[in-house]
Amino acid sequence: DAGVTQSPTHLIKTRGQQVTLRCSPISGHKSVSWYQQVLGQGPQFIFQYYEKEERGRGNFPDRFSARQFPNYSSELNVNALLLGDSALYLCASSSPGSSYNSPLHFGNGTRLTVT
Amino acid sequence: GENVEQHPSTLSVQEGDSAVIKCTYSDSASNYFPWYKQELGKRPQLIIDIRSNVGEKKDQRIAVTLNKTAKHFSLHITETQPEDSAVYFCPSGSARQLTFGSGTQLTVLP
Repeated sequence: DAGVTQSPTHLIKTRGQQVTLRCSPISGHKSVSWYQQVLGQGPQFIFQYYEKEERGRGNFPDRFSARQFPNYSSELNVNALLLGDSALYLCASSSPGSSYNSPLHFGNGTRLTVT
Repeated sequence: GENVEQHPSTLSVQEGDSAVIKCTYSDSASNYFPWYKQELGKRPQLIIDIRSNVGEKKDQRIAVTLNKTAKHFSLHITETQPEDSAVYFCPSGSARQLTFGSGTQLTVLP
């Protein structure tokens, strides 16, 4: 079975631009979460979506937004990019999604560099 | 919000020795305690997890213990091997929203 897949793997953008990152969860997983990992730190929670609805949001500015599609895939959008947005963006899925105790399975991430 | 403290931040052990990493958390409502291993340049991988109604769990060379009264949990790795070298994270909270600490860089010396 395929794991969580993310695209693109690497991305270079300029300050002020906008970026869209994509994630496909493990088949059967209905919950998708997004995390930001800055070099040398642990992942920081951005969003959680379940059944196409936002179920949780971390301490990130409104420049960050996300959505989940009927097939449970998800997109993370970041507007007006800042240098500090440079990080590894991780997507994680879980099943059955509504359970508090479902393990998170991470994708390989998208490495975003803002210049 | 949840505050997770993990220590030590770096740990070096000789191959074959044991390694222990400890984490403390602040939110008494936290009920799920996974441990993730992240090798350089790779994604975090779940290696073991424990629920709040369980005090200890083992999986081969890895064990996790939970003390809810003291709000801390520990990862124990026995008979360490070079491939155990990685950063280990102890996020807490629920699977809906995990709060990660700063991680422990474990180095197993051959």
